[in-house]
Amino acid sequence: SQQGEEDPQALSIQEGENATMNCSYKTSINNLQWYRQNSGRGLVHLILIRSNEREKHSGRLRVTLDTSKKSSSLLITASRAADTASYFCATEPGGSYIPTFGRGTSLIVHP
Amino acid sequence: DTGVSQDPRHKITKRGQNVTFRCDPISEHNRLYWYRQTLGQGPEFLTYFQNEAQLEKSRLLSDRFSAERPKGSFSTLEIQRTEQGDSAMYLCASSLAQGRDGYTFGSGTRLTVV
Repeated sequence: SQQGEEDPQALSIQEGENATMNCSYKTSINNLQWYRQNSGRGLVHLILIRSNEREKHSGRLRVTLDTSKKSSSLLITASRAADTASYFCATEPGGSYIPTFGRGTSLIVHP
Repeated sequence: DTGVSQDPRHKITKRGQNVTFRCDPISEHNRLYWYRQTLGQGPEFLTYFQNEAQLEKSRLLSDRFSAERPKGSFSTLEIQRTEQGDSAMYLCASSLAQGRDGYTFGSGTRLTVV
């Protein structure tokens, strides 16, 4: 079973626009992580936010976490064609050190 | 150390054959994970090791699957009597204890069973 679910499943935008993806999960967590995956490749870790944090930034990425709603969002600002990829959230349920992934959001950025 | 290495990158095998994949984690990482990913899905957990000890296995890991991590370094994942349903990308990841800095993934091994 999948702990996290990303929304939307697919997102298509123009270069320069912002992209927002959401993740909802079911149980209490130690932390939540976002990953990027280019077609046919492995996953690349983008950012980790702990359960006691509410917002975190890394370059053009901004992640928020609302533990009361069991949800997180990933914002990519000023998107580029190179941001085209699938984005996954992964959660570590409390007491577990096994990251569990959702189905991902497929982002296409048109040049 | 350039990251997590997986070998081979691609494997095509006939149904019923055995296959073995290898993962070399980042040398100082003591945790190693195996995941399976099919098209359009997220990675599904298979098993993980802390050092040489296999601490947890998913119910997805049937008795045809076995994983080892001798001496707590590289790991192998073997699939015996492969079936077409085993066709997938097999991903390996490693981390320091508790994954405080996230998990580093390899590029994966794509298995096709014909």
